[in-house]
Amino acid sequence: QQQVKQSPQSLIVQKGGIPIINCAYENTAFDYFPWYQQFPGKGPALLIAIRPDVSEKKEGRFTISFNKSAKQFSLHIMDSQPGDSATYFCAASRLNAGNMLTFGGGTRLMVKP
Amino acid sequence: DVKVTQSSRYLVKRTGEKVFLECVQDMDHENMFWYRQDPGLGLRLIYFSYDVKMKEKGDIPEGYSVSREKKERFSLILESASTNQTSMYLCASSFWTSGVGVHNEQFFGPGTRLTVL
Repeated sequence: QQQVKQSPQSLIVQKGGIPIINCAYENTAFDYFPWYQQFPGKGPALLIAIRPDVSEKKEGRFTISFNKSAKQFSLHIMDSQPGDSATYFCAASRLNAGNMLTFGGGTRLMVKP
Repeated sequence: DVKVTQSSRYLVKRTGEKVFLECVQDMDHENMFWYRQDPGLGLRLIYFSYDVKMKEKGDIPEGYSVSREKKERFSLILESASTNQTSMYLCASSFWTSGVGVHNEQFFGPGTRLTVL
């Protein structure tokens, strides 16, 4: 049973488009929601993260939107570039869980030139 | 520059073999993790360790064991490899969460793609 459900599994957009990746969670004890980005042949790396006390967080072209009541959060990539082509994972962590993360299934994004 | 290294990028083993995957981090992190990555399933936690000789089961520990004899090194052991353990294995490390509500970034190695024939 996946505690964090991610969609879509794959996504293709044109350069300049705004891909949106969605995640939903069940466990209301989760209190930290990071996104990791993985390029081919590399391990995932932290991209951006949000806490449930804010509804939105921006870092450069990357924005997380968070809806606590719906238990959903999403990643938006503004003005997407071919270099953003990667696999994106959402994740969630519980308070006092020893820094353990529960990951979503991943989204493979391709940004066409 | 932070670094997590894994002993092999690619490994091919036969069913029933004992397999060792090694991970080393140079960041003096307390926590170390082993995940497997499968398409559509994301990353699933196998085991993690928060200190030398300490280990905790993750979501899918069956068929695996781990060893942490030194702070910087965390080994994943497949006692008798099976074909359903063919996967990408990722090691990660992080600082121990020192305070309430504090979450520390996990740093990942490049992965080991294991094929069990």
